[in-house]
Amino acid sequence: GENVEQHPSTLSVQEGDSAVIKCTYSDSASNYFPWYKQELGKRPQLIIDIRSNVGEKKDQRIAVTLNKTAKHFSLHITETQPEDSAVYFCAASEGGTYKYIFGTGTRLKVLA
Amino acid sequence: GAGVSQSPSNKVTEKGKDVELRCDPISGHTALYWYRQSLGQGLEFLIYFQGNSAPDKSGLPSDRFSAERTGGSVSTLTIQRTQQEDSAVYLCASTTPPGLASLPNTGELFFGEGSRLTVL
Repeated sequence: GENVEQHPSTLSVQEGDSAVIKCTYSDSASNYFPWYKQELGKRPQLIIDIRSNVGEKKDQRIAVTLNKTAKHFSLHITETQPEDSAVYFCAASEGGTYKYIFGTGTRLKVLA
Repeated sequence: GAGVSQSPSNKVTEKGKDVELRCDPISGHTALYWYRQSLGQGLEFLIYFQGNSAPDKSGLPSDRFSAERTGGSVSTLTIQRTQQEDSAVYLCASTTPPGLASLPNTGELFFGEGSRLTVL
């Protein structure tokens, strides 16, 4: 089955700096890679996703890149703000299905 | 309702007791998932229901865990003979995978608020 690894587990950045979170996956048949943000005490919510036929996708200050050959994908947040502080989870669909396997999460702290 | 509803929101039980956690997905969503989130940990996949297909139970940690989905809607996760290591937040999510509905959708998971289980 699919295995997703996520790094780093914690990340602290100064407000205005960029943050990068990286994930690797094992199943070469995976074709959908979403990112979820979970604020303290709240439910995870989708912030951006990418499909295997695209190498990069951007939405305002966040972007995701995908390298299918290396089986890794990354989340990039530019001009970080205190409200970006949260836990971020990457996920991959297993075997081309919609069974999502999540990474272990990255706790991002944006320091004012 | 407008979102995924889970009950109870909090459950405290004694070791060895059975518990049932309920999930009411968004109306019309064909796929339903259960995940477990231990304190400060990631989202551990438990089970996945898609339409009328046999559920994918590959994430259930032991035979003390079971889940069912009645009528393609409400789901119940049952934990028998609870152990302290079962303490966690149990999250339910639902979606309709792309291509399986006439409405446009992305396969985005909509999560419930979770059921926090504490086993004493």
